[in-house]
Amino acid sequence: GAVVSQHPSRVICKSGTSVKIECRSLDFQATTMFWYRQFPKQSLMLMATSNEGSKATYEQGVEKDKFLINHASLTLSTLTVTSAHPEDSSFYICSARTLAGVNEQFFGPGTRLTVL
Amino acid sequence: KQEVTQIPAALSVPEGENLVLNCSFTDSAIYNLQWFRQDPGKGLTSLLLIQSSQREQTSGRLNASLDKSSGRSTLYIAASQPGDSATYLCAVPSGGYNKLIFGAGTRLAVHP
Repeated sequence: GAVVSQHPSRVICKSGTSVKIECRSLDFQATTMFWYRQFPKQSLMLMATSNEGSKATYEQGVEKDKFLINHASLTLSTLTVTSAHPEDSSFYICSARTLAGVNEQFFGPGTRLTVL
Repeated sequence: KQEVTQIPAALSVPEGENLVLNCSFTDSAIYNLQWFRQDPGKGLTSLLLIQSSQREQTSGRLNASLDKSSGRSTLYIAASQPGDSATYLCAVPSGGYNKLIFGAGTRLAVHP
């Protein structure tokens, strides 16, 4: 089946540093990847849509300069949280959509970010 | 604007019961609907995807139905087990790039 990986699974950093999270589709190509964040006991909130070779599309209220997204290839998208602050602590999840016609999304295992 | 609602928000049942989780959406013009499972601190596992032309999908003890005209989907879990304890999310694609709009989820606890 379609597998999506994320790295790292957990990261703790100091306030003011930048953190990069990778999302990879392991056994399929994905022209489109999505980045979500999830606060405790809440549902997923879409942050941005990432398309290979073009600029990401951000949802309203999401700072593009703070959450930098790069989709360098059909199997890799990265999310960089710049100058992280404690309020950025959250669970970040990516998903990838297959090129096939089913239009199904597959999700990564998530990255737990804690900013001290 | 598409909105997705799930009821109940939480459910606690004894092992062996048959369950029905409900999902409703405001815009019936959808391509498909997906049901996911999320364990605490983990990512999402896709359970079932129903295309707009289908009325139901089955996988093992799970059966999902879709009624586009009324904007509803149900997830039926037969003979529930403690291992079924998780949060169940439904989602529909909407807007550009068919981004998924999620419901708030149903937290299910199945006790022995």
